[in-house]
Amino acid sequence: GQNIDQPTEMTATEGAIVQINCTYQTSGFNGLFWYQQHAGEAPTFLSYNVLDGLEEKGRFSSFLSRSKGYSYLLLKELQMKDSASYLCAVRDTNTGKLIFGQGTTLQVKP
Amino acid sequence: ETGVTQTPRHLVMGMTNKKSLKCEQHLGHNAMYWYKQSAKKPLELMFVYNFKEQTENNSVPSRFSPECPNSSHLFLHLHTLQPEDSALYLCASSPPRGGTTDTQYFGPGTRLTVL
Repeated sequence: GQNIDQPTEMTATEGAIVQINCTYQTSGFNGLFWYQQHAGEAPTFLSYNVLDGLEEKGRFSSFLSRSKGYSYLLLKELQMKDSASYLCAVRDTNTGKLIFGQGTTLQVKP
Repeated sequence: ETGVTQTPRHLVMGMTNKKSLKCEQHLGHNAMYWYKQSAKKPLELMFVYNFKEQTENNSVPSRFSPECPNSSHLFLHLHTLQPEDSALYLCASSPPRGGTTDTQYFGPGTRLTVL
């Protein structure tokens, strides 16, 4: 079967670091995506991992371990505008479809 | 205008109405998607089109009818919907399979309320 798990909600403080975890089980793996979605807006692409390791993009980094079926999104120097939902999605290698987790709603407090 | 656009942004309709959602992408992509996003639930893929051909219908009820006249436009025709169909309907586009990362880019969505 296919299953993507991520925490429902997280809270963090402005200026801090937060890590959002995602675990997955899929029949075939062909990449993992992270999207950010502000309330009432489009999900916007943040990162893509297909090989093990860390991908860094400014304040955001994403890590993948294929053997563990695990990824995390790391947000540094949190800003109030980072308050949003963060969606983890895995592409199934057989169908090419993206399978989404339910999203993690992050609230950044002053 | 760039990216993926959707109209209308908000729609309220009765169960007997017929309405259509429109999606347009200006990214030169050849694959387009309809997703449904309900509160507290993962994004659900509804339909996929590649080069105007429907390649995926994810067991969607027939009261939802997609149309893709060309690679830049995608419609979702709605008729005799149910209140449980109320949700955010997102359109996305991507390069065809076999592209670099096949990253999907989303429109802002249509917030649909069925009364």
